Amino acid sequence: DVKVTQSSRYLVKRTGEKVFLECVQDMDHENMFWYRQDPGLGLRLIYFSYDVKMKEKGDIPEGYSVSREKKERFSLILESASTNQTSMYLCASSPSSGHGYTEAFFGQGTRLTVV
Amino acid sequence: DQQVKQNSPSLSVQEGRISILNCDYTNSMFDYFLWYKKYPAEGPTFLISISSIKDKNEDGRFTVFLNKSAKHLSLHIVPSQPGDSAVYFCAASENDYKLSFGAGTTVTVRA
Repeated sequence: DVKVTQSSRYLVKRTGEKVFLECVQDMDHENMFWYRQDPGLGLRLIYFSYDVKMKEKGDIPEGYSVSREKKERFSLILESASTNQTSMYLCASSPSSGHGYTEAFFGQGTRLTVV
Repeated sequence: DQQVKQNSPSLSVQEGRISILNCDYTNSMFDYFLWYKKYPAEGPTFLISISSIKDKNEDGRFTVFLNKSAKHLSLHIVPSQPGDSAVYFCAASENDYKLSFGAGTTVTVRA
């Protein structure tokens, strides 16, 4: 079974703190993603990466950065946490099929509260 | 602006009956569509998908229908079971990896 593991289920941080959310996948997938889930808005893509050291902005990258130094690990960084970044953060991975489409596999999510 | 829209935030259905979830999209370049199911405090899990070259895909109790001309897809669950109570997300892709999601529909199956 594909396993995507996020380092924390729940986090509480203070405004202005630098926050690191870690994600590890064990299936050698090329693609990794960070989404946030908010009521009424669904899942919105923050950043994604299709290879080591490669990253691309998603739909809402402002206030975030990412790092992918190893294939299995994709980190989301909140440079200076703000209350509007309180959300559920979901990491996902998927293989590159090259000629077709495959589904993404998600981690269990990190509920981040910024106070 | 969301390119994938699920206009019904919630759906309540009696156990044993059919659940129909709807999804509309605006991007004509989307050519692969997926449905995900999410329980509280868990990540979404893949349910079923359909390529744009098809108009129907069936997997057990779950069937997805695609109407490309209307830019509309639907998920049918027959018969609905209590374990189907969850949030269902419609998603679409125009390339090999990036998915755009709808806002989700919360399904409640009543005993």
